[in-house]
This record gives sequence, C-alpha cells and structure tokens, in this order.
Amino acid sequence: TQLLEQSPQFLSIQEGENLTVYCNSSSVFSSLQWYRQEPGEGPVLLVTVVTGGEVKKLKRLTFQFGDARKDSSLHITAAQPGDTGLYLCAGPSSNTGKLIFGQGTTLQVKP
Amino acid sequence: NAGVTQTPKFRILKIGQSMTLQCTQDMNHNYMYWYRQDPGMGLKLIYYSVGAGITDKGEVPNGYNVSRSTTEDFPLRLELAAPSQTSVYFCASSLSLALADTQYFGPGTRLTVL
Repeated sequence: TQLLEQSPQFLSIQEGENLTVYCNSSSVFSSLQWYRQEPGEGPVLLVTVVTGGEVKKLKRLTFQFGDARKDSSLHITAAQPGDTGLYLCAGPSSNTGKLIFGQGTTLQVKP
Repeated sequence: NAGVTQTPKFRILKIGQSMTLQCTQDMNHNYMYWYRQDPGMGLKLIYYSVGAGITDKGEVPNGYNVSRSTTEDFPLRLELAAPSQTSVYFCASSLSLALADTQYFGPGTRLTVL
C-alpha cells in the first residue's frame, strides 16, 4: 500500500519566518500535488510536480520533487497570516490511479 | 460558473437514520469523487464515477452508496448512519484521470452522527 507521510503535522510560527513542510513515501510516485485547504472550505490545488528534481515557485512558495520521486517539500519564505491553513500532498496510486493524500500539515502564522 | 456545490453544509443525524449528500458540478467534468476527511487522516476516497451511469468503489465504501444519472450530479447516500460516519465529506470533479489533472473540490458537508 502506498502511503504519503507529512511532517510536521502542526506548525505555529510568527509572521515573517520561513518554514518547510515535507511529504515522504517509500514508494515512487509519477507525480505529486500540493493542496491548501482553508477552514470550512475544500482543498485547492497549488501545484503539480511531475519530474524528479523539479522545482516550482509560486510567489513565496517553493515546491520541490525529490530526484527519486519518493518525496516532495514545500518551502514558504516570509510567511504571512494569509498562508494559514491545512497543506496536503497527494499522488496517484500506481494500482488504481486515484489520488492518495497525506494526513496534512496544519500551519498557523501569527501576526 | 459555480464549480462544485454541495448541500447541506452541516447535518446532525441520529444513529440508524438515512440521508443523501448532494453534489453538483457545472464544469461538464466526466470524473467525480466523494472523499471523507477525518482529523489527522487526510482524505480517503469513498466512491468515484467516470461518467453518467458508471460508478466504482474507492478505499472506504462500506456504509455508503452512490448513483450518477447525469454528468452534473453525484449524490452520496448513507443508509444506516453510524457514529463512525461522523466526518467532513467532500465532493470533487476533474476533466480527466490524467496524472497531472486538477481536482476541483466543493466546500464540504460536515456530518455528525449521534
């Protein structure tokens, strides 16, 4: 069974700090996605990474796909209160093609 | 273009009651999904559909049923509610099953079974 493990599960930081969230697996994934979910809302796709070693930037967010395609990271520079939310990584199961989600990282950015 | 809409937003059920969670999308997507989200557990796939009249089980289908009579609608039915079904339910849709395709999620239904 393919699993995605995210760390840390909870993160509370001050505005302006940097942070990194990790998404790890013992299995190879053909691609990984990162979603952000705000309270009372559904997840919203931030990025998809498909090539080992790929780096994508979305304003202050930097996403990296591991060379072996078993892990990914999300780095936020100078976090803002608007970055507060639940961050989920997800990847397609090699058996079914359906998305498998990590358990999520809850980020709180205090002003 | 409303995207994916879900009703109701909140619901409390008693053990053994039944209910239907409604999901509608206006993006003409073929693929639709139902997930449940429990604290610290991410999202688990309950059922999915690849088009009108075609549905299949996901990872956690027990206690649920679905139907897909139109492209737009994908209701989720709970027949005999149990406390273990207390969760937040999300409906999603996508244009294809391509590995890099985007799934669009509704706002969710928070269900409590007492």
